[in-house]
Amino acid sequence: GENVEQHPSTLSVQEGDSAVIKCTYSDSASNYFPWYKQELGKGPQLIIDIRSNVGEKKDQRIAVTLNKTAKHFSLHITETQPEDSAVYFCAASRNTGTASKLTFGTGTRLQVTL
Amino acid sequence: ETGVTQTPRHLVMGMTNKKSLKCEQHLGHNAMYWYKQSAKKPLELMFVYNFKEQTENNSVPSRFSPECPNSSHLFLHLHTLQPEDSALYLCASSRGLTDTQYFGPGTRLTVL
Repeated sequence: GENVEQHPSTLSVQEGDSAVIKCTYSDSASNYFPWYKQELGKGPQLIIDIRSNVGEKKDQRIAVTLNKTAKHFSLHITETQPEDSAVYFCAASRNTGTASKLTFGTGTRLQVTL
Repeated sequence: ETGVTQTPRHLVMGMTNKKSLKCEQHLGHNAMYWYKQSAKKPLELMFVYNFKEQTENNSVPSRFSPECPNSSHLFLHLHTLQPEDSALYLCASSRGLTDTQYFGPGTRLTVL
């Protein structure tokens, strides 16, 4: 089955700096890669996703890059703000058109300090 | 709010108790999911339902019993749980099995 590894487990940055979280996956047939943000006391919320037919996607301060050859994808947050502090999860799945199963990474706790 | 609600938000139960977790989605989705989130571990998929039919049981012990009476409601019936079952139980829904999943806030379960 799919295996997703995520690094680092914790990340502390100063407000205004950039943060990068990296994930690797094992199943070369995986074709959908979402990123979720989980704040304290809440469930994971989708913040951005990318499919295997593109290499990069950006939404304001958040971007995701995908390297299919190396089987890794990364989340980039620029100009970090205190409200970006949360746990971030990457996931991978193989969508066959009729079914898919998300495999999650272990999460990265991001702390944005003033 | 994501449109997925879960009750109760917190639950403490003894190993001999029977309790149920409830999930409701107001998004018109057809697929619903139960996940278990434990500290320092990835989210673990437990069950998947699509149009009220169970499509996946990820080798979950029988002390966890899901029920999906319709596409908007999902229950997880709990009985004779173990302390290691203490975790955050998350419900999610999606339009179809290959679409984006939206999560509820979870139920924090503690088994004494």
